[in-house]
Amino acid sequence: AQRVTQPEKLLSVFKGAPVELKCNYSYSGSPELFWYVQYSRQRLQLLLRHISRESIKGFTADLNKGETSFHLKKPFAQEEDSAMYYCALLNTGNQFYFGTGTSLTVIP
Amino acid sequence: NAGVTQTPKFQVLKTGQSMTLQCAQDMNHNSMYWYRQDPGMGLRLIYYSASEGTTDKGEVPNGYNVSRLNKREFSLRLESAAPSQTSVYFCASMLGLAVYNEQFFGPGTRLTVL
Repeated sequence: AQRVTQPEKLLSVFKGAPVELKCNYSYSGSPELFWYVQYSRQRLQLLLRHISRESIKGFTADLNKGETSFHLKKPFAQEEDSAMYYCALLNTGNQFYFGTGTSLTVIP
Repeated sequence: NAGVTQTPKFQVLKTGQSMTLQCAQDMNHNSMYWYRQDPGMGLRLIYYSASEGTTDKGEVPNGYNVSRLNKREFSLRLESAAPSQTSVYFCASMLGLAVYNEQFFGPGTRLTVL
């Protein structure tokens, strides 16, 4: 069975401070992992995907298969980063599994 | 382009009533999805349609049926609503192979079953 865990429901950081949103997964196959974000009054949207190894809006995420983690990081948080963040896993059956989400607040 | 649209935005039902949630996309996407989101929980996949003419069960399909009416439209039906189906329902669509493509989400339908 596949499972995505985001241990922090709420996370607050000061503007300019580093931020890390944690994501752990369990999956017997080779995982494909994603981060989705929902800004206030906006729709859920893709932030970044593991396979692209990209940096979007200053965010990066590294897949650590040994620790089964895919934490989202940004060295200097901005106020516009305040949002709800969801980690998601895609299985080989083309089904997505989402974590429960972390609400990030960046304090000015 | 409107993207992914859902109707209605809000709905209140009594236990045992039926209703259909509508979803349409104008991006010529092949895959479409229905999720539910409950307080304190992530999105859970109800059903999906990888392409026109196909539908498959997701993680929580019980109590629901779906129809992929055509490439644009993917409806979700509750035949006999139960209070446990009170939730926010999201439709999403995607062009093709999931790992290389992005899911585009609708605005959601907030359903309350009394």
